[in-house]
Amino acid sequence: AQKVTQAQTEISVVEKEDVTLDCVYETRDTTYYLFWYKQPPSGELVFLIRRNSFDEQNEISGRYSWNFQKSTSSFNFTITASQVVDSAVYFCALSEASRGSYIPTFGRGTSLIVHP
Amino acid sequence: DGGITQSPKYLFRKEGQNVTLSCEQNLNHDAMYWYRQDPGQGLRLIYYSQIVNDFQKGDIAEGYSVSREKKESFPLTVTSAQKNPTAFYLCASSPRQDGNSPLHFGNGTRLTVT
Repeated sequence: AQKVTQAQTEISVVEKEDVTLDCVYETRDTTYYLFWYKQPPSGELVFLIRRNSFDEQNEISGRYSWNFQKSTSSFNFTITASQVVDSAVYFCALSEASRGSYIPTFGRGTSLIVHP
Repeated sequence: DGGITQSPKYLFRKEGQNVTLSCEQNLNHDAMYWYRQDPGQGLRLIYYSQIVNDFQKGDIAEGYSVSREKKESFPLTVTSAQKNPTAFYLCASSPRQDGNSPLHFGNGTRLTVT
C-alpha cells in the first residue's frame, strides 16, 4: 500500500484559475514530517514547504497555501491565480521514523499544466 | 554557489555494460540519497548514506551499487544485473537524516540502455 497517495495524475487549468493538489498519507508514527516539492521541466526538485505532525497550522506563501489536516491524513496544496510558470510536477513526501531513521517516501506526483 | 552536481545529464549505454553516475555536493551535508524516477511511478529510493563509509539499501537496490568514500561524493553504479535500467536518476542530500531537513536535489541523469 502506498504511504503517500496523490490521486490526481494530471491537472490541466487555464491561467488565473485556482487549483488544489491533493495528498493523503498513511503512518502509524506520532512524529512525522510532510513536504511538498516542485519539479519543473529542468528536472531538479525544489523544496516548497515542510510541516511536522505537531503543527496543523495552515500556511500561506504568496499564491501558495497548504492545508494540513491530521483528522483526514491530508496535506493539500492550493495555488491561487495559477500562472504558466506553475506548470510542473508536484510531489508530496512523508518522512517518518521507519527503518530506524527518517527516509522520505514520495507520492507519484501530480503533473500540473497551466495554459495561457 | 553551493549545490549538487550530477553528471552527465544524458547517458547512453549498451545492454550488459555497467555504468556509473556521478553525484557531487559542496553543501557539507552528511546524508546523501539516490532516487529513480519512472513515468507515473514517482521517486523510488535506491540507496542512501548517512555518513562516510556507510550506506544502506533502499526499496529498489537490486542491480545497483554505491560507495561513499568522501563526504562530497556518492556515485551510483548501474550494473548489468539491473533488469530495467532506463530511467531518470536523481541524487539528493540533506544536512542530517532527521526527517526535519528537506532534501536538496541535483538536476538528474537520464540513462538510456539499449
